[in-house]
Amino acid sequence: EVQFVQSGGGLAQTGGSLRVSCVVSGSGINFDTSAIHWVRQTTGKGLEWVGQIRTKSFNYATAYGASVEGRFSISRDDSQRVSYLHLNNLRVEDTGVYFCSNGGSLFDWGQGTQVTVSS
Amino acid sequence: EIVMTQSPRSLSVAPGEVASISCSSSKSLLHISDNTYLSWYLQKPGQSPQLLIFLASSRPYGAGVPERFSGSGSGSHFTLHISGVEPEDAGLYYCMQALETPYTFGQGTKLEI
Repeated sequence: EVQFVQSGGGLAQTGGSLRVSCVVSGSGINFDTSAIHWVRQTTGKGLEWVGQIRTKSFNYATAYGASVEGRFSISRDDSQRVSYLHLNNLRVEDTGVYFCSNGGSLFDWGQGTQVTVSS
Repeated sequence: EIVMTQSPRSLSVAPGEVASISCSSSKSLLHISDNTYLSWYLQKPGQSPQLLIFLASSRPYGAGVPERFSGSGSGSHFTLHISGVEPEDAGLYYCMQALETPYTFGQGTKLEI
């Protein structure tokens, strides 16, 4: 069974930084060949795509949503089967639950990690 | 970016009835590969979203998605059908386009049983 286990996040002040980790365990997924996506759910709102990191075959190319471009970054370590979401220059409106997922159609999801930004 | 629009925003059905949720995109989601990059997700309260349908009409293999969930549509108009709704189907349903970045979601449809 594939599991996406998230950790990190927490509380930060505006302008601060946080990191969220997503470790993939279990068989049934080849982490090396899976794009990893990050999606968030801000307070009272729906789902918003944050960004993605592609595989080594695509030079680990990244893409981001307009609201986080230039502030957030995504990385991965295939040897550890982990992806990281680096959240910088945080704003109050970044408060929400952040999910990691895999594949072009977001097949499997992490349990979600709370990020709270206070002024 | 591609705008996704869902309707209705909320839906109340009795157990055993049929439920349908519509989703439209501001651009055709048909790729030159002949795949249509539209997915459906269900988010139950306090849980992560769960993939129900991908490529407009495919159920993920081995994911335990019941056969009562089916997807139809093409181009820029899609429908999620739930035949014989059960109480555990309650939650928020989202469509999402994966044709191009930024991926975008519909606003969500709340299904009450």
